[in-house]
Order: sequence, then structure tokens, then C-alpha cells
Amino acid sequence: VTLLEQNPRWRLVPRGQAVNLRCILKNSQYPWMSWYQQDLQKQLQWLFTLRSPGDKEVKSLPGADYLATRVTDTELRLQVANMSQGRTLYCTCSAAGGANTGQLYFGEGSKLTVL
Amino acid sequence: AQKVTQTQTSISVMEKTTVTMDCVYETQDSSYFLFWYKQTASGEIVFLIRQDSYKKENATVGHYSLNFQKPKSSIGLIITATQIEDSAVYFCAMRENNNRIFFGDGTQLVVKP
Repeated sequence: VTLLEQNPRWRLVPRGQAVNLRCILKNSQYPWMSWYQQDLQKQLQWLFTLRSPGDKEVKSLPGADYLATRVTDTELRLQVANMSQGRTLYCTCSAAGGANTGQLYFGEGSKLTVL
Repeated sequence: AQKVTQTQTSISVMEKTTVTMDCVYETQDSSYFLFWYKQTASGEIVFLIRQDSYKKENATVGHYSLNFQKPKSSIGLIITATQIEDSAVYFCAMRENNNRIFFGDGTQLVVKP
């Protein structure tokens, strides 16, 4: 059984629009949920780790702005905004059993392409 | 400065041989956790092996093992008896106590028949 389900898996993003991604946790024994971005050059970058419902964080990186929200014990969301035109980005979530010690289990990723 | 550095961009080996991938890291934490993951062509990222900084013994899982040299801040991945299916991008990662996670740029491994 897949531990994490991400949706949508792929989205064409009109320029100037934001997109909302969801990551659903299937086993609450891995409550430390995180988001990552990965570009076409495969560089993987950690964005956020949110443990508790209500937790929110924002981050601005070259090429995109991010807002992450831990909605429930089993749902993590990511809003991606202000993506650079023509850019393709992969956003992946993960879950871990421990704050620092647990290995990461990754979702399948969401591919975002800006028109 | 990059916290996790993988200097090998790409490695090509023959099937059934042994390959070593390098990784060096930088941290001020006295306790930290090191991991290797692989990303397959489908994009799936899979955990391979882990080394806790306080453990002196090198971790081994199946045909994966680590060469942990703490004084050199080095955590090399060794894959023995490589198989075609081992072809992937391999990422070295470090988790610090403040929950931050750092990845290297990845090493592309190609295993040829």
C-alpha cells in the first residue's frame, strides 16, 4: 500500500496563476510530513517539514513562492505561486516516523509546467 | 556553501562489479543523520540506507554498504554486485537536529550489461 498519495500528479499552470497540491498520508505512524522541490536538473531541495494540524510556513525561492499548510494529521498542502514562465518543477512530499531520525518515504511527485 | 556535496555527476560501470559513490557533508551539529536515496527513471525516490553519526560501525543493507569517515565528514555509498536495475540517480542526504534536510546534487549511475 502506498504511504503517500499526491494530487494532482500533473498540472499545466497558466502564467500568473497559483496551484494547490495535496499530499495524503495513509499511515499516521509517519506524521512528519515534508515538501520538496526538484528541477529538471534533478536538484532536490527540501522546503518544509510540518508536524501538526494548523502549522503553516512560507518560503520564496528563485522561480517560485511556496505556502505549506498542515491541514489535518493526514493531509499536507502546498500552494505554489509566481512560477517563472516556461518553468517545469516537480513537487514531492515525504513522511517520516521521527523528527530527525526517521527515514523518508516519498510520494510520487507532482509535475508543474508553467505555460 | 553547499552542505552536502556529491562530486561525481555520473558513473558508468559494468554489471556485477562494485561501485563507490562519494559524499561529503558539512554540519555544526554534534548529532546528525545521513541517508542515501535513489531516484529511478520513473521519478520514484526510494530510501536505501542510513548512518547515524554517533554509530561507529558502517551500516550495511543487502548489497548496499556505507564507508563512514566522520573525521573527514564523508559518507560513501558502496554497491556490490551491481545489477542493471541499480541504474538510477543516487542522492546523499543529511538531516540535522533542527529538522532541516540537505541533499547533494545526485550521482547518475549507469550499469551496463
